[in-house]
Amino acid sequence: DTEVTQTPKHLVMGMTNKKSLKCEQHMGHRAMYWYKQKAKKPPELMFVYSYEKLSINESVPSRFSPECPNSSLLNLHLHALQPEDSALYLCASSQDAEFGTDTQYFGPGTRLTVL
Amino acid sequence: AQTVTQSQPEMSVQEAETVTLSCTYDTSENNYYLFWYKQPPSRQMILVIRQEAYKQQNATENRFSVNFQKAAKSFSLKISDSQLGDTAMYFCALGGITGNQFYFGTGTSLTVIP
Repeated sequence: DTEVTQTPKHLVMGMTNKKSLKCEQHMGHRAMYWYKQKAKKPPELMFVYSYEKLSINESVPSRFSPECPNSSLLNLHLHALQPEDSALYLCASSQDAEFGTDTQYFGPGTRLTVL
Repeated sequence: AQTVTQSQPEMSVQEAETVTLSCTYDTSENNYYLFWYKQPPSRQMILVIRQEAYKQQNATENRFSVNFQKAAKSFSLKISDSQLGDTAMYFCALGGITGNQFYFGTGTSLTVIP
C-alpha cells in the first residue's frame, strides 16, 4: 500500500469554528509532513514529524495545531482561522526520517475554505 | 541561502514530442538531493525523479531523464514521447541540506497538446 489518505476532501468553515484534518499512511514511514499550497504556487512546509515527534515548525501561527497520535496518523487541528488560510492542505510521508533526502508520498489534499 | 529557480512558468509540447524543463539552484553544500515532482490537475503530487548530488550519473525513469550539471547547478528534466497524461505542474526541489530544509521551485505548468 503506497497511499497517503486525507480526510475530508473539502472543508468549509467559519472563522470561529474548530475543525480537524486527518492524514493516514500505512507504509511504515518514519516521517510525516503538513504543507499548505495556494493555487499555482509550490507547497509551503508547515510541520515535520519524525518518529512521531515534532521536529520542524516553520513559524506557523498557533491557530494551526498539529498532532501525531501514532506512527500512521497525523492530524491538523484548526481554530479561529482567517480567510487567507483558505488553501489546499497537503499531507506527505517518507520512509527516511531525515527530512529532504527521501521521496515524499503526498496525499490528495484537503481543500479548505474559510468564510 | 538556498534557492531553486524555474524560469519557465508555462510550457507546451505536442504529443509524442520531447520537452525540457529547466531548473537551477544555489547551495554552498557539496552533498544534497534534487527532485522533480509532478502535480496533475486535481490529482496527487508524485515523484518523477530523484538525484543524489554525489552521483555523477544522470537519473532516468522510463521517458523521464535529467541532465544534472553540478558545477553549473543545473537540473533540467527531459520528457520524451510526451503523453497527454504528462500535462501537469512540475516542481523542482532541493533537499538534504544542513538545517533539514527543503526548497521547491515556483513550478512549470506543462500542457501536452494532442
